Amino acid sequence: NAGVTQTPKFRILKIGQSMTLQCAQDMNHNYMYWYRQDPGMGLKLIYYSVGAGITDKGEVPNGYNVSRSTTEDFPLRLELAAPSQTSVYFCASSYSNSGANVLTFGAGSRLTVL
Amino acid sequence: AQTVTQSQPEMSVQEAETVTLSCTYDTSESDYYLFWYKQPPSRQMILVIRQEAYKQQNATENRFSVNFQKAAKSFSLKISDSQLGDAAMYFCAYLRGGSEKLVFGKGTKLTVNP
Repeated sequence: NAGVTQTPKFRILKIGQSMTLQCAQDMNHNYMYWYRQDPGMGLKLIYYSVGAGITDKGEVPNGYNVSRSTTEDFPLRLELAAPSQTSVYFCASSYSNSGANVLTFGAGSRLTVL
Repeated sequence: AQTVTQSQPEMSVQEAETVTLSCTYDTSESDYYLFWYKQPPSRQMILVIRQEAYKQQNATENRFSVNFQKAAKSFSLKISDSQLGDAAMYFCAYLRGGSEKLVFGKGTKLTVNP
């Protein structure tokens, strides 16, 4: 049981390039999330999804796009990368949005934009 | 908007001693959940303990316990018999009931000295 798998673990981008961070979970969780963690800060929610075909903005969605075509996958796309998007990105999933349900996090993807 | 404040950027403790990490939060909601997450150098976010606001009893998980003061909006984490493996960043987090948006504090870096 792999849990939440993120790829790649590390990536360096040039300003203006685009890329997709992949996230997959094998726990049949309905809810999936993308967070970013800037140095010295807690995690901030970028986008989330409550099920296949449904996505919604979090606290810091600008510069990102997501899609949820299947229950398992929730890719995060960066268009026109900017230095401000240098961060560590975490994908997470949960069965529901009840506080009794624990989020399972991926190991993170460190992105540097130069 | 809800905010979570961790006033101690860094803390240190001697192995086998007890340490308390502070967290305060701001909310006007009555239905919410509070969490402590641990982030070791591996970056993996791990749930340490969870507290439902409607429960008066403080949550406990082995060596980890909380002091939940609802009126004061305080949610501190006590680690007893500290171990070297407890060294990590600790994040306090808040979730409004029915929401998908987990709000994190900036974290406290805990060092455990042998």
